[in-house]
Amino acid sequence: GAVVSQHPSWVICKSGTSVKIECRSLDFQATTMFWYRQFPKQSLMLMATSNEGSKATYEQGVEKDKFLINHASLTLSTLTVTSAHPEDSSFYICSASGATSGSWYEQFFGPGTRLTVL
Amino acid sequence: RKEVEQDPGPFNVPEGATVAFNCTYSNSASQSFFWYRQDCRKEPKLLMSVYSSGNEDGRFTAQLNRASQYISLLIRDSKLSDSATYLCVVGNQAGTALIFGKGTTLSVSS
Repeated sequence: GAVVSQHPSWVICKSGTSVKIECRSLDFQATTMFWYRQFPKQSLMLMATSNEGSKATYEQGVEKDKFLINHASLTLSTLTVTSAHPEDSSFYICSASGATSGSWYEQFFGPGTRLTVL
Repeated sequence: RKEVEQDPGPFNVPEGATVAFNCTYSNSASQSFFWYRQDCRKEPKLLMSVYSSGNEDGRFTAQLNRASQYISLLIRDSKLSDSATYLCVVGNQAGTALIFGKGTTLSVSS
């Protein structure tokens, strides 16, 4: 099946620093990538949708200047949390879908990145 | 009303038991429905899609009631490995995103 990787899997940083998370589709071309955030005991919340080569579409309430998304190729999308604060500590998960993966809703999820901001 | 609502549980059942999870959604125009499984600190994985006619995959049966905006998942002959959080997921009206419920936690014990 389609494989999506994320790096790093866990990151601890100081408040005020920026953190970049990478999401890669390893064996298929991802025309669309999604970024989610999940707080403990909460549901996955979609942050933004990105299509290769175009600007990401952010969900209401998600600051685009704080969460920078780049989808420069069909296999790589990055999420940069700028000037991270403790309230940004969460589990960030990306998913990818593409022509080879079937329907738009057949999203393949990365293993997630746990961000802890001190 | 939340877009997708589930009973959070936890459901604690013995091996071999049959357990049912329910889910309701608020947008009557939703067109696609799924159950995902998420293990602790792991990514969610698609368990099965849900069709109006109902569908079965081994020990798992999913049902959709559009009139009541209600989705269910039935697990028969529970196994220890079924212990996880089950997420009810609905595609948005535009067909561009998935909306996740908070999940129902199942714990199967021997």
